[in-house]
Amino acid sequence: DQQVKQNSPSLSVQEGRISILNCDYTNSMFDYFLWYKKYPAEGPTFLISISSIKDKNEDGRFTVFLNKSAKHLSLHIVPSQPGDSAVYFCAASALWTGTASKLTFGTGTRLQVTL
Amino acid sequence: NAGVTQTPKFQVLKTGQSMTLQCAQDMNHNSMYWYRQDPGMGLRLIYYSASEGTTDKGEVPNGYNVSRLNKREFSLRLESAAPSQTSVYFCAIQTTGTYEQYFGPGTRLTVT
Repeated sequence: DQQVKQNSPSLSVQEGRISILNCDYTNSMFDYFLWYKKYPAEGPTFLISISSIKDKNEDGRFTVFLNKSAKHLSLHIVPSQPGDSAVYFCAASALWTGTASKLTFGTGTRLQVTL
Repeated sequence: NAGVTQTPKFQVLKTGQSMTLQCAQDMNHNSMYWYRQDPGMGLRLIYYSASEGTTDKGEVPNGYNVSRLNKREFSLRLESAAPSQTSVYFCAIQTTGTYEQYFGPGTRLTVT
């Protein structure tokens, strides 16, 4: 049972345009969401996150939107740059023990930014 | 990935062999994690450790053991490797007081 879903395996966007990556989740207990970027042969890199008490978080060219009623979040990259070409993973967390949280990851979306 | 190191980077095992993947951090955080990444599956949690001396199972713990002997190191052991354990393994740490996890560079393991 995939609790975090990224239904688009790949996305191609022209440089300078907006990239929109989508993520859906089914577990209503998730209360924190994160996006990671991954280049080949490297570990995932934390990009941006959002708490369930917010509906938007912005960091430079990256904005994450959360729609709790739809159990949907999206990552917007504006403007897209060739260096943004990577696999993007959405992750969600529900368990907080005070020191550890368990992340559930989506399957990833490969973004290609073309010239 | 600064601050989280993993060894080895690559490993090829025969079915039934054992090995230990090592992870170390230099950032003094409490929580450490082991994930595996397979094509089309995203990252799946194998085991995690909320603090020194404690470990807990994640989503896919079967076939693995872990050891958190000190705050700095968290190792993952395959006692009898199987082809289904061919994967890329990532260690991660969680910054204290946040949900954010930071990953090491990974170990690519092939079991033949």
